[in-house]
Amino acid sequence: DAGITQSPRHKVTETGTPVTLRCHQTENHRYMYWYRQDPGHGLRLIHYSYGVKDTDKGEVSDGYSVSRSKTEDFLLTLESATSSQTSVYFCAISEHPPGLVSGELFFGEGSRLTVL
Amino acid sequence: AQKVTQAQTEISVVEKEDVTLDCVYETRDTTYYLFWYKQPPSGELVFLIRRNSFDEQNEISGRYSWNFQKSTSSFNFTITASQVVDSAVYFCALSGGSGGSNYKLTFGKGTLLTVNP
Repeated sequence: DAGITQSPRHKVTETGTPVTLRCHQTENHRYMYWYRQDPGHGLRLIHYSYGVKDTDKGEVSDGYSVSRSKTEDFLLTLESATSSQTSVYFCAISEHPPGLVSGELFFGEGSRLTVL
Repeated sequence: AQKVTQAQTEISVVEKEDVTLDCVYETRDTTYYLFWYKQPPSGELVFLIRRNSFDEQNEISGRYSWNFQKSTSSFNFTITASQVVDSAVYFCALSGGSGGSNYKLTFGKGTLLTVNP
């Protein structure tokens, strides 16, 4: 199994509070992703990183920011959590982009966030 | 923009039945890659297969087979002789093959397959 650890795995917070989710990998993969999973929406890309300090937005990036100061860690921050951000968040890593050879994504176990 | 449509929200079958999960995609890229992932009730996402747009050969892996048809922009997944352990949400996904689109994997909304004993 790919060495991906997400923390925390479960969190309950209140509207308006900041929240940071951490994704840590031991595979030294260049590419890292944050997705959210919601019923009826499947998996939607929030942000991704293609190297240290190199990040870009996905399709649902509003209200989220990310940082990647070292290869192994990719942080997702909700500056001021809202109830619409209640979701399961998945981190994924890949050695190569999915649009190149052997570019499959490997996923973490997910972090369930509830915003009251 | 990339788009993946999985029109079947839920499918329920009885064990040993064959079942096909549909996936239709949209892309402007001439080179692209298609994926299937499985999410069992435990919640993890498991990679099943990756195909590129130049390879239209069907693929078989045990009870699983995939039918890629460029003419209809479809990449369907068939489970033969389904088993209870096949119960899961199955996601089809697409990545472009060039520019910024090859960095991203776009998922369909998933199909919940329930296999009843």
